[in-house]
Amino acid sequence: QVQLVQSVGEVKKPGASVKVSCKASGYTFNSYGISWVRQAPGQGLEWMGWISGGLNDQTNYAQKFQGRVTMTTNTSTSTAYMELTSLGADDTAVYYCARDHLIGFAFEIWGQGTMVTVSS
Amino acid sequence: DIQMTQSPSSLSASVGDRVTITCQASQDINKYLNWYQHKTGKVPKLLIYDASILERGVPSRFSGSGSGTDFTLTISSLQPEDIATYYCQMYQNLPPRYTFGQGTKLEI
Repeated sequence: QVQLVQSVGEVKKPGASVKVSCKASGYTFNSYGISWVRQAPGQGLEWMGWISGGLNDQTNYAQKFQGRVTMTTNTSTSTAYMELTSLGADDTAVYYCARDHLIGFAFEIWGQGTMVTVSS
Repeated sequence: DIQMTQSPSSLSASVGDRVTITCQASQDINKYLNWYQHKTGKVPKLLIYDASILERGVPSRFSGSGSGTDFTLTISSLQPEDIATYYCQMYQNLPPRYTFGQGTKLEI
């Protein structure tokens, strides 16, 4: 079946970086883009950016994360990555990857989420 | 940037009630609006895309309407399993860009 499996949770110190992975299976990876969404404790969903599943790695980042986030893919392993640098306490959140919908601009399939905790 | 405003932020209703959640965009977004259900401890679930198209497998008691700046998610007869936070999401395509509303927490 179609699924996205994310890496396990991480604890990072302020100022560090984190790289979360999202391994896809059950579909043609190159045919769908992937977005990254986060949810801080007690807060709502926040879109971070999008990367195409194709070989050109086209990206579009939310302005808030420009300069601090990098999204990449490895098509040989059908895995997407999201790296966030210069972490602060307010980056503590569950990070989700989500696949584009088959026929529309929406998130059809979600990863299980990765908890990233930033603490000294 | 286009802002999305959901109302109410929280809502208490009874089983069988008709529930309506609204989402307003700060400018015309045509029908580029989706709705998600997010239950505690679960991953978000797509309910409605392109303002009014029901996602496969979603119960027919859920419906969406609207275009331009004003949108509505309706649950025709609330069920206990509908307890969740609901989010609207607008999108701009090519390349894709998304913005979520702040969410509506629905309680029974």
